[in-house]
Amino acid sequence: DAGVIQSPRHEVTEMGQEVTLRCKPISGHDYLFWYRQTMMRGLELLIYFNNNVPIDDSGMPEDRFSAKMPNASFSTLKIQPSEPRDSAVYFCASSWGSGNTIYFGEGSWLTVV
Amino acid sequence: TQLLEQSPQFLSIQEGENLTVYCNSSSVFSSLQWYRQEPGEGPVLLVTVVTGGEVKKLKRLTFQFGDARKDSSLHITAAQPGDTGLYLCAGAPYTGTASKLTFGTGTRLQVTL
Repeated sequence: DAGVIQSPRHEVTEMGQEVTLRCKPISGHDYLFWYRQTMMRGLELLIYFNNNVPIDDSGMPEDRFSAKMPNASFSTLKIQPSEPRDSAVYFCASSWGSGNTIYFGEGSWLTVV
Repeated sequence: TQLLEQSPQFLSIQEGENLTVYCNSSSVFSSLQWYRQEPGEGPVLLVTVVTGGEVKKLKRLTFQFGDARKDSSLHITAAQPGDTGLYLCAGAPYTGTASKLTFGTGTRLQVTL
């Protein structure tokens, strides 16, 4: 089976531009997570969904960040407008059931210049 | 906020040596997980420990959950170059969803020939 699929793998954008990261979770999984990883702050949970419904977005840093999950097989994380401090690796992950193994995608490497 | 501190932050050893990585917190967790992350990839789950004092072995890796469920250790025997990577511990809370993990600060291990 395919794992969690993220796109793009790499993106370089200018400050002020809109960035959209995409994720396809593992089929059948009912939890979807968005994480951000930086050297300074490590791996941080931004938001997670259960059955396509956002459950906890307390980790979303600012109103510039938004996430949606229109159906069970697709989610987006949008940053508008982007800033250099948003540069990080953004991971999408999914799991079946609460507390079960979380499977991570390969990440989207974002650089904002 | 629950914090997980890992030590050491960096570790460079030669093949065949033994090492221990520590994961400490002032908070109590319902379970604790260990992940390994290789460059350019997402974290991959190695093990989950659930019971205070529990010890689990995975080939040359030994994981222990502290009696008070606040700390954990990972011991690697006879390290090999394939063990190189970023090791992350992650704790699951007692309240709320068990999927809302708090990740540790990470230990970057390099094993050389």
